[in-house]
Parts: sequence; structure tokens; C-alpha cells
Amino acid sequence: NAGVMQNPRHLVRRRGQEARLRCSPMKGHSHVYWYRQLPEEGLKFMVYLQKENIIDESGMPKERFSAEFPKEGPSILRIQQVVRGDSAAYFCASSPGAGVITDTQYFGPGTRLTVL
Amino acid sequence: DQQVKQNSPSLSVQEGRISILNCDYTNSMFDYFLWYKKYPAEGPTFLISISSIKDKNEDGRFTVFLNKSAKHLSLHIVPSQPGDSAVYFCAASAQAGKSTFGDGTTLTVKP
Repeated sequence: NAGVMQNPRHLVRRRGQEARLRCSPMKGHSHVYWYRQLPEEGLKFMVYLQKENIIDESGMPKERFSAEFPKEGPSILRIQQVVRGDSAAYFCASSPGAGVITDTQYFGPGTRLTVL
Repeated sequence: DQQVKQNSPSLSVQEGRISILNCDYTNSMFDYFLWYKKYPAEGPTFLISISSIKDKNEDGRFTVFLNKSAKHLSLHIVPSQPGDSAVYFCAASAQAGKSTFGDGTTLTVKP
């Protein structure tokens, strides 16, 4: 049973380019979460999605960032016009989705974004 | 405003001894708490959790204690093993889906 898959594992972009990060949840999981980790810091919640729905995007920057979890295919975190401050590790997690506070989140290995 | 704090960036213990990792929180709405373990270049792995209605939860070598009045929780690892060397994150939730993480404590267990 494959775990949460994220690709690419490493992504290098120049300032002003777009970054697309993909996350395939564990089989049978219908809830996806995105977190960002800056160096020497903890993970910061960005967004919580179910299939075709954004449940909570309170941690998403208001501009340049968007996320989706379509009916088919992986969840995508999209960052437009990247800046150096976007350099971070981006982690995706998934859960089976009873939608309750005790749902255990299973994390992927992360995508390390470097903006030159 | 950091709502979950792990005040010790690092901890070093001898193999076989107890490791105690601490975490403090400020938001009284948090009612579910978790500990994760993270190796370099990997995602966090869930270790153990505790609901606010309990003050202790145990799973093998890992025990989490919660003191609601002090807004403090701790993770005890007994006995510590070299393979336990990793970064440990404390996290707290007030609602489904959204966890607030501390900055982590790097545990080193020396053989």
C-alpha cells in the first residue's frame, strides 16, 4: 500500500516563474492537507481540501497561491510568480476522512522548492 | 504569535535512559494534541496523540502527558534508542484538519 506521494521531490524555479507541486494521497483517502516548512521552523498549515472542495484555506497567502483537489488526479498546489521567500519544504498529508479532529494525517516526503 | 512552543531546540540523552520532550501551548481552544517524528528528507510520521479529556496516553515506549491547567504536554520515551534520534514536533488542533505545529526538538540518542 503506497503512502502519500509527492512530486517533484526537488523543484528549482527562477523568480517570476510558476511552481506546481503535486500530491497523490494514500489509497482510499479523500482528505488532503498542505503545509509549508521554512528552515529551522515547524510546519505551517496552508490548506485543507476534500475532493473538489476547499474546506479551510485560512493558512494560504492571499495572492499567488492556489490549491485544488480534482475529482480525478492528484492535488495540486500552485504558486504563481514565485519569489525567494517561497523557498521552503512543502508537505502534503492525507487522511481517510471522517472529517473529525482525530483523523490521523499521513505525510508525504515533501517537495523542496528553491527559488533562485 | 506562536501558539505551540517547543522551547528546547535540541536534547541529547544516553541510550537506555529516558527522553523527555516538552511542549507548551497558548490557545485554550486546542483539544487534541499529537507528536510527530521526522527524519531528514522525509515527511513527519505520526507517533502518538492525546485528547484533552485525558491526561495520559501510552503506546509502547512512548507516553504523552497532558496538563491542561498548565497548557503543557510532554513526550516520554523509555528506554531511548539510537534509532529514536530525529526531530520531534508537537502539534495541536482545535478543529478537524488544521494542526498547529511547534518548531521541533532535535533528539540525539547516544550509544
